[in-house]
Amino acid sequence: EAQVTQNPRYLITVTGKKLTVTCSQNMNHEYMSWYRQDPGLGLRQIYYSMNVEVTDKGDVPEGYKVSRKEKRNFPLILESPSPNQTSLYFCASSPTLRGDTYNEQFFGPGTRLTVL
Amino acid sequence: AQSVAQPEDQVNVAEGNPLTVKCTYSVSGNPYLFWYVQYPNRGLQFLLKYITGDNLVKGSYGFEAEFNKSQTSFHLKKPSALVSDSALYFCAVRDPSGTYKYIFGTGTRLKVLA
Repeated sequence: EAQVTQNPRYLITVTGKKLTVTCSQNMNHEYMSWYRQDPGLGLRQIYYSMNVEVTDKGDVPEGYKVSRKEKRNFPLILESPSPNQTSLYFCASSPTLRGDTYNEQFFGPGTRLTVL
Repeated sequence: AQSVAQPEDQVNVAEGNPLTVKCTYSVSGNPYLFWYVQYPNRGLQFLLKYITGDNLVKGSYGFEAEFNKSQTSFHLKKPSALVSDSALYFCAVRDPSGTYKYIFGTGTRLKVLA
């Protein structure tokens, strides 16, 4: 089944304890992205990647890191989480066409993160 | 700055009536526009997109949207609403300025009343 998977689905942690949220897709998509969803703010893009070893900042990258060492995986790293990073996080992927991204994104099920 | 606005936090409509969920955008250049739907405790699902061509775009589950360049709008419509259409709807635009960023609206909760 074509899908985007995220782990963990739920995580409660404490301020300053490094964590990684994994994202994997089995559709051979070039484009991958991380979003956070907050009430009243909609989805905001954190980072995206056009392909292996190519990443770039979205609108809210502060406090986050990403890497794209393999095409299928795009982990989100919080080196020192803070309470304002409590949010619902979504990973997404989409194919590119002629090097551009105007195809629809496939979203993972979400990771609900609470930082105490 | 590029932006997307969904002016209504919530839209209520009676089952069987037509529905409209509004979206306006502000980008420099030709936008790539998308609608997604989110059901409770689920990720987002793609509904439809406008890239180029016909201004009226048809999508999944009987939804359609009309691209209006002069009004910079991309409203989502359905002729006859179903209770099962109740969900959170997001409009999004791919930044055409040379990055590959996506900008989402704040979402509109659609409630279809039986």
